[in-house]
Amino acid sequence: DTGVSQNPRHKITKRGQNVTFRCDPISEHNRLYWYRQTLGQGPEFLTYFQNEAQLEKSRLLSDRFSAERPKGSFSTLEIQRTEQGDSAMYLCASSFPGSYEQYFGPGTRLTVT
Amino acid sequence: GQQLNQSPQSMFIQEGEDVSMNCTSSSIFNTWLWYKQDPGEGPVLLIALYKAGELTSNGRLTAQFGITRKDSFLNISASIPSDVGIYFCTGGSEKLVFGKGTKLTVNP
Repeated sequence: DTGVSQNPRHKITKRGQNVTFRCDPISEHNRLYWYRQTLGQGPEFLTYFQNEAQLEKSRLLSDRFSAERPKGSFSTLEIQRTEQGDSAMYLCASSFPGSYEQYFGPGTRLTVT
Repeated sequence: GQQLNQSPQSMFIQEGEDVSMNCTSSSIFNTWLWYKQDPGEGPVLLIALYKAGELTSNGRLTAQFGITRKDSFLNISASIPSDVGIYFCTGGSEKLVFGKGTKLTVNP
């Protein structure tokens, strides 16, 4: 399968714990995006990378959130000291540079208890 | 910031019927994209529109980029049960702005 992959698909954690999600984009794509989606809403932009450079971060991305793409391939999204409000689907997408057509992965569903 | 309004919020139709949904924006977009999302999965890109007035088809799906650049329409002809899902319009640039979606239910 050459699509965007995300791991894990589901994560249940207790409040206060740290969690990390991984995204592997389509191999030819050098742009990678993170979105968050809560129930009944469309995805909301969090941040994006071109190669290893993080080019933009949303105000939604609080200090507890950090994203990296160290070698310009896969990316990780870490949430520290999770809160119940962090419960959501975290989506990753990738695209060619200059293209607005973003291809999404299956998402990671986070539940904070 | 930009806001997208999708209508209707939900639709209940019989298999075989045609479906129309639309999306309006508070500001001009240079691109419109339509996605479909199944429960527990990521959105899947259906159609991309790049020019005002453009009409593009993908199988039974047809989408149009409104002339004002502030709206777009999606039509599904001869619906089938697998069309069930949430349809999102989006536009913008690197950071896609999504509407709340139109939830489609198809009764066999």
